[in-house]
Amino acid sequence: NSKVIQTPRYLVKGQGQKAKMRCIPEKGHPVVFWYQQNKNNEFKFLINFQNQEVLQQIDMTEKRFSAECPSNSPCSLEIQSSEAGDSALYLCASSLYRTSGNTLYFGEGSRLIVV
Amino acid sequence: GDSVTQTEGLVTLTEGLPVMLNCTYQTIYSNPFLFWYVHYLNESPRLLLKSSTDNKRTEHQGFHATLHKSSSSFHLQKSSAQLSDSALYYCALSDRYGGSGNKLIFGTGTLLSVKP
Repeated sequence: NSKVIQTPRYLVKGQGQKAKMRCIPEKGHPVVFWYQQNKNNEFKFLINFQNQEVLQQIDMTEKRFSAECPSNSPCSLEIQSSEAGDSALYLCASSLYRTSGNTLYFGEGSRLIVV
Repeated sequence: GDSVTQTEGLVTLTEGLPVMLNCTYQTIYSNPFLFWYVHYLNESPRLLLKSSTDNKRTEHQGFHATLHKSSSSFHLQKSSAQLSDSALYYCALSDRYGGSGNKLIFGTGTLLSVKP
């Protein structure tokens, strides 16, 4: 069973609505990643953090998403104004280190459906 | 930039036959880390195996892969497919920029379907 906890498992939003997902990384893992798995099952990197600091993010995330990993609270990913193309499985993963070769541990994902 | 290619979107096999899922990659980094992740329906993706050692076979749960830097390949193999192997398989490359926090670059995935 995954030790990365994601909530909610499913969310349905209308176009233009906000959609917020949360992630509790595996205990002791300071590095957190968000990926989007689209309808073609492709994994698209969105953003990653070490503790509260953003390490890297793509343009789309910078413009339409907001994400944070506050101290002593779950990490979150929020889409400010949902679009149909945002319908996907959003996967959170955590890692012990930020160095190359470290294993990412994934949660089960939050499935967003935008109607 | 770095990339991973999985040429087969779907592989359908009969139980008991050998499995080979192709993975090639592109990077200018001389010491890449390659991974295979497996994603079962309604479960979390999990690591199957990984390697950064050239020409060394890595094994786990009946699967094996060998990183060949000369051909930039990391194909996944299994001698005999089981029904329970049906899942999505992703090949991934570890981002060489330590500053970006070990981001993984995933291939497009191969759906393995094993039939009786």
